[in-house]
Amino acid sequence: RKEVEQDPGPFNVPEGATVAFNCTYSNSASQSFFWYRQDCRKEPKLLMSVYSSGNEDGRFTAQLNRASQYISLLIRDSKLSDSATYLCVVNKDTNAGKSTFGDGTTLTVKP
Amino acid sequence: EPEVTQTPSHQVTQMGQEVILRCVPISNHLYFYWYRQILGQKVEFLVSFYNNEISEKSEIFDDQFSVERPDGSNFTLKIRSTKLEDSAMYFCASRDQLREDEQYFGPGTRLTVT
Repeated sequence: RKEVEQDPGPFNVPEGATVAFNCTYSNSASQSFFWYRQDCRKEPKLLMSVYSSGNEDGRFTAQLNRASQYISLLIRDSKLSDSATYLCVVNKDTNAGKSTFGDGTTLTVKP
Repeated sequence: EPEVTQTPSHQVTQMGQEVILRCVPISNHLYFYWYRQILGQKVEFLVSFYNNEISEKSEIFDDQFSVERPDGSNFTLKIRSTKLEDSAMYFCASRDQLREDEQYFGPGTRLTVT
């Protein structure tokens, strides 16, 4: 089983659509969770951290369910500029340890 | 806005040659990382570095790899004898002591081994 598993995608949606990405992780001892965005041939950029209480940043909402080892990202009112690959990232601990990336889910928003 | 920089942006080398990839992390950051991404594949952790020593390394980071912080600003990744399968994008990242979530990535060095 992969350490971090994401929806395989790709997702092709029209502008204005709501789209949800799912991610599961295998290590129950994982401490911190993130969504990154990666544009083609560019570096990953932090989109948002994910907390058990859930967090929202504008059109983006992230949720964490520790019992199910499940993380989600919801994008509302999608824009053309949201087209990218979304990476689910899990850290084993909060110190200088490794980040484990999922394979990514590619989103294309079409006019 | 401060940023992580990496040089060169693209490095072409012959199999068996040594390469050094360079990174300048954000100046007040204390934790440094190297990742690689083979074309079309996921980002893979290589190594983390703190307080002048390796904190953690992956199975990929074998004896052919080494990291160094030769001065107060640079953070380097050396591959001693490159193989074809080392061809990838190599990303450096850094973060400060307090903001565990904010890991800043550099633009990457594309390494092509021929």
